[in-house]
Order: sequence, then structure tokens, then C-alpha cells
Amino acid sequence: DAGVTQSPTHLIKTRGQHVTLRCSPISGHKSVSWYQQVLGQGPQFIFQYYEKEERGRGNFPDRFSARQFPNYSSELNVNALLLGDSALYLCASSLEDPSYNEQFFGPGTRLTVL
Amino acid sequence: AQKVTQAQTEISVVEKEDVTLDCVYETRDTTYYLFWYKQPPSGELVFLIRRNSFDEQNEISGRYSWNFQKSTSSFNFTITASQVVDSAVYFCALSEAAYSGGGADGLTFGKGTHLIIQP
Repeated sequence: DAGVTQSPTHLIKTRGQHVTLRCSPISGHKSVSWYQQVLGQGPQFIFQYYEKEERGRGNFPDRFSARQFPNYSSELNVNALLLGDSALYLCASSLEDPSYNEQFFGPGTRLTVL
Repeated sequence: AQKVTQAQTEISVVEKEDVTLDCVYETRDTTYYLFWYKQPPSGELVFLIRRNSFDEQNEISGRYSWNFQKSTSSFNFTITASQVVDSAVYFCALSEAAYSGGGADGLTFGKGTHLIIQP
């Protein structure tokens, strides 16, 4: 079975632009979570969706938004990009409630903001 | 608020040595879950283990073992007879109780320990 897939792999944007990152969970998984990983740090929680509803949101500004579609895939949108948004964006899926089930991570999208 | 501390930023050992990665956590919940993930240079996080707060049994999986001690809020990871392929960044993570209407906080990760196994 295919793992979590993310697109694009790499992305270069300039300050002020908008970006959309996409994630397809493992088949049958109902939950998707998004994390931001700045170089040299651990991943930071951004959003969690379970059964197409937002379950939680990390300490990120309103420029960050996300949604989960009926097929459980997900998009992360970031508006008005700042240099500090440069990071590896990771998507994770889990079969059921991600609070206590292992989350399987995708390869990430590396975003560079110039 | 929950917090995970991995005090060892980088560890370098020679192949075949045993190595222990430390993880200390803070949480006010009585029900929580602890995880270890491996991040090789490719960047993809690989799940290694999950442990819930009610299960303090140590676990062994091949060369890997985990020691969970609630009394010291620690969840340490030992690699026996390390190999070059074990070189990676290892993250300890914490997840609090299941969604109760107050919102989920996702996984809280430590800053990671960069493990270098020299041949």
C-alpha cells in the first residue's frame, strides 16, 4: 500500500505570496495532521483533522488554514508568506483518533520563501 | 502545557557500541501517549514505538529497547550494538488524552537527538 504522499516536493516562493500544500493519507486513514519543521528543530503542530472536522490547531497565525476533503485528503494554505515560513511541512495520517494512534508521516514539502 | 526535553543534541559513537537517547516529558494529564520517531537524512519521520501512560513495561524489539519510568517522567531509548544505518535524528513525542471537546494539541516533539554512528 502507498504511504502518505505530499505534493509538491519542493517549492520556492517570495514574500507576500500564497502557497497551497497537498496531502493524501494512507488509504483508509481518516485523520490528517500538519506539522512545520524548521531546520534543526522538532516538528511543530499546526492542524489536525479527523473525519473532515478540525480537531485542533497549534499556535500559528490566521495566515495558516487547512481543510480535509470527503476523500480524506487535505490541503494546507499559507497566505502572505514570510521569510520565517521557510520550513519542511509534514503531513501525517492515522487510522483513527490521532491522539493515541501512531501517525504515519509523509516525505514533506520543503518550502523556501525568498 | 505539555513539553518534551531531549537534552542530548548530538551523540557520536563507534559502530557496535550501545547508546541511550534520553527523553523527559511534562504533562498534567494522567492519560497520555509517548512515541519515538526516527528521521533519516531523507527527511521522512519513521514511527518506532508508542507507549501509553498506563503501561510501564519495558519493550524490546531487536536491537531497540525502551525504558518508561513514570516516577522520573522519562522514556529512554537504547540501541544495542549500533550500526551505521542507525545514524539519524531521533525524536521523542508526547500526545495527551483523546479529544474531549477542548481541541487536540497534536504531537509535541522534543528538539531531537542527532545520532552519528561511525564505522
